[in-house]
Amino acid sequence: DSGVTQTPKHLITATGQRVTLRCSPRSGDLSVYWYQQSLDQGLQFLIQYYNGEERAKGNILERFSAQQFPDLHSELNLSSLELGDSALYFCASSHTPALLGANTGELFFGEGSRLTVL
Amino acid sequence: AQTVTQSQPEMSVQEAETVTLSCTYDTSENNYYLFWYKQPPSRQMILVIRQEAYKQQNATENRFSVNFQKAAKSFSLKISDSQLGDTAMYFCAFMKHVVYDKVIFGPGTSLSVIP
Repeated sequence: DSGVTQTPKHLITATGQRVTLRCSPRSGDLSVYWYQQSLDQGLQFLIQYYNGEERAKGNILERFSAQQFPDLHSELNLSSLELGDSALYFCASSHTPALLGANTGELFFGEGSRLTVL
Repeated sequence: AQTVTQSQPEMSVQEAETVTLSCTYDTSENNYYLFWYKQPPSRQMILVIRQEAYKQQNATENRFSVNFQKAAKSFSLKISDSQLGDTAMYFCAFMKHVVYDKVIFGPGTSLSVIP
């Protein structure tokens, strides 16, 4: 158990709909990362938050948005869903950023949220 | 931009044998982290081993070891005494040693351990 909790584990929805994926990081971790893994593909970085603020952005579509709340949980919102958005969405958390000394660089991953768009 | 390449999409190894997975990366940074993550059929991502670029000594974790060649930008993973539970997708990953940076993953190598 990594300590990172993602809900829901599975989600089936229709094209054009909107969904929200939720992530609770490990206790004490300030950074949250979102990754997308399409079928038989690698992990594509979407976005990173640190202590409530956006810190790094990958190839995240404009239809997608995320935020990190004061209690450090994070939500990834996916709207106007398309068939190609079907994927496993991972949340990962880590300690303070590398330069602050406490971070080993390791990401702790949740079990993922599997989104199927029909 | 940093890139991570894994040139072996699929590999197989006999149980108890040794296998080496390859990874190369491209960066202009001098300080960074490198990782190997394992993703078994359960899809859970698990850290196998990590290496800090400023450390010349290769990291080892039980049956797992790396061959880190900084000048060649190469970071291979050696699995000794392969076990059936090692069957998984293995991802090489890179992270700059700077504040607020992301981890970049390679495309992965699917490893099958054959009884």
